[in-house]
Amino acid sequence: DIVVTQTPLSLSVTPGQPASISCKSSQSLLNSDGKTFFYWYLQKPGQPPQLLIYEVSNRFSGVPDRFSGSGSGTDFTLKISRVEAEDVGVYYCMQSMQLPRTFGQGTKLEIK
Amino acid sequence: EVQLVESGGDLVQPGGSLRLSCAASGISFSGHWMSWVRQAPGKGLEWVANINQDGSDENYVDSVKGRFTISRDNAKNSLYLQMNRLRAEDTAVYYCARDRETLFDYWGQGTLVTVSS
Repeated sequence: DIVVTQTPLSLSVTPGQPASISCKSSQSLLNSDGKTFFYWYLQKPGQPPQLLIYEVSNRFSGVPDRFSGSGSGTDFTLKISRVEAEDVGVYYCMQSMQLPRTFGQGTKLEIK
Repeated sequence: EVQLVESGGDLVQPGGSLRLSCAASGISFSGHWMSWVRQAPGKGLEWVANINQDGSDENYVDSVKGRFTISRDNAKNSLYLQMNRLRAEDTAVYYCARDRETLFDYWGQGTLVTVSS
């Protein structure tokens, strides 16, 4: 199975400040068709996960532009340019290069 | 409006069985793969199984192979997970999610399965 390692496991950020989360995959997630099957989800307290970013850097419908994704191959980053109170929750990265789909351990973001 | 509503979660003894259901609306159910994803209490996410549009293709995580069966009824816009020989480590909130073959774009609120004596 592909292992996805997420860091840090927790973040405490002052509103208006940036935040960054990294994920590293045990195998390249670049497919032969040129797509990279890497995703970011946010699970707000008491809610199911919601899709933020697909294929490394594409924001899902309705996701604010303060969220951005980058990376390639095995190393990926989610950046929040200016954290807001509504961004609290646990962020997960996920790979879909092969089954089973696997998630990172999650990064808990809290507001200072 | 997209709605995925899971049901069937319960307290069950180790070795017991349970059938989860997921009722879908607003997502063109028969046109998409569907998945079950679980989350143990206080833990991360684990993909469990998926099924293709007509039910002819299923995939499972190794830990549930031979014990869980995913199925669907497109006429009823419903997804199911039959769970047999349940273990304590199967305790989790089980989410159904629309599976776009590489991502999950819509999720239900989840149903809690507790395996304990």
